[in-house]
Amino acid sequence: KQEVTQIPAALSVPEGENLVLNCSFTDSAIYNLQWFRQDPGKGLTSLLLIQSSQREQTSGRLNASLDKSSGRSTLYIAASQPGDSATYLCAVPTSGNTPLVFGKGTRLSVIA
Amino acid sequence: DAGVIQSPRHEVTEMGQEVTLRCKPISGHNSLFWYRQTMMRGLELLIYFNNNVPIDDSGMPEDRFSAKMPNASFSTLKIQPSEPRDSAVYFCASSFGGASKNEQFFGPGTRLTVL
Repeated sequence: KQEVTQIPAALSVPEGENLVLNCSFTDSAIYNLQWFRQDPGKGLTSLLLIQSSQREQTSGRLNASLDKSSGRSTLYIAASQPGDSATYLCAVPTSGNTPLVFGKGTRLSVIA
Repeated sequence: DAGVIQSPRHEVTEMGQEVTLRCKPISGHNSLFWYRQTMMRGLELLIYFNNNVPIDDSGMPEDRFSAKMPNASFSTLKIQPSEPRDSAVYFCASSFGGASKNEQFFGPGTRLTVL
């Protein structure tokens, strides 16, 4: 059974700092890995989707890497801003093209 | 496109009452998901439809929960009878191409409180 763990559970950083969020998963036979952002009281917004054949994916100040063999992914946020404050969740399929299993997220606070 | 639409946004009901949550997926998407989010358990998949057919309902907690997708543009999640432990935020999401092949787009959620 796929299990997804995100560390740390919460993180507080000063504005402008570069930071890394971690995600690990137990079953490496994944189709892809997705990172989402959730603002308080809102739904999830997809940030990045990394296919299993890719090593990383970039969107603006966000860079996500994937190491399937070790069951790990990182989300790198450059030059953090207060607007980046949110909960970040990663999700992977249980295997192949199957429904996503979500981590519990990392709650990020960027202090101005 | 307006994105995934859910209604109502908030629902407060008393234990034992029937609750119906509604979802309109993004036009053209053929996969629809119902999730439940709580502080304790995080985000859990309840049921997944592909081309209007339920594919995986192993996450549906009890027979009190049922879901339907009568056509490609509408789905309902019903709880009858509701219990206080059903209080949570319920999300609907849609995508194209299967369970996890492409990005999932989430609705704003329905916050359910059962008194």
